[in-house]
Amino acid sequence: QVQLLQSGPGLVKPSQTLSLTCTVSGGSINSGDYYWSWIRQPPGKGLEWIGYIYYSGSTYYNPSLKSRATISVDTSKNQFSLKLSSVTAADTAVFYCARTSTGTSVHFDYWGQGNLVTVSA
Amino acid sequence: SYELTQPPSVSVSPGQTASITCSGDKLGDNYVSWYQQQPGQSPVLVIYHDTKRPSGIPERFSGSSSGNTATLTISGTQAMDEADYYCQVWDNNLGGVFGGGTKLTVL
Repeated sequence: QVQLLQSGPGLVKPSQTLSLTCTVSGGSINSGDYYWSWIRQPPGKGLEWIGYIYYSGSTYYNPSLKSRATISVDTSKNQFSLKLSSVTAADTAVFYCARTSTGTSVHFDYWGQGNLVTVSA
Repeated sequence: SYELTQPPSVSVSPGQTASITCSGDKLGDNYVSWYQQQPGQSPVLVIYHDTKRPSGIPERFSGSSSGNTATLTISGTQAMDEADYYCQVWDNNLGGVFGGGTKLTVL
């Protein structure tokens, strides 16, 4: 059974960089069968896809966040990470990592437990 | 931009059929997936590829798509189905796009 376990601080100061990590168990990022995404959800609001990474390191970002988001992968640890720079209060959200299917129907079939990240001084 | 429009809320009586719609100008060009999110929990995939159900998802969940509208149907709705539901497509320019979500109330 695939599991995604997220880690990272719950509080970030404005203008700083948010950093989160997602560790995958029950499957290998190296398999190349999936993308690995980050998705966020502001409190009381809907879901927003941030971007994904492939095991090779290739990435694809939501154009609205492309200038601030960086996703990286460490296949030796079976982990992938998100950095979001220059955060403001508007970036306060629950962040999720998710396994992302490839092919004609791209969807998110396994999700991490979520991390609430609050941007506040 | 690519917008997916869902009704903010839908109400259904227990045992009845609930239908949640998702509309978008280019919806017919994309496969639609649906997610259920219980309060305080991570979303769960309930339908993908318009009509396919992941293993472990009850048969009462079904999906359809015609033209610019996709529909998630829950037959014999149970109290445990009360949740937020989101549709999602993949756009080659924008990546993952979600609808605004629909709160399903079972009363």
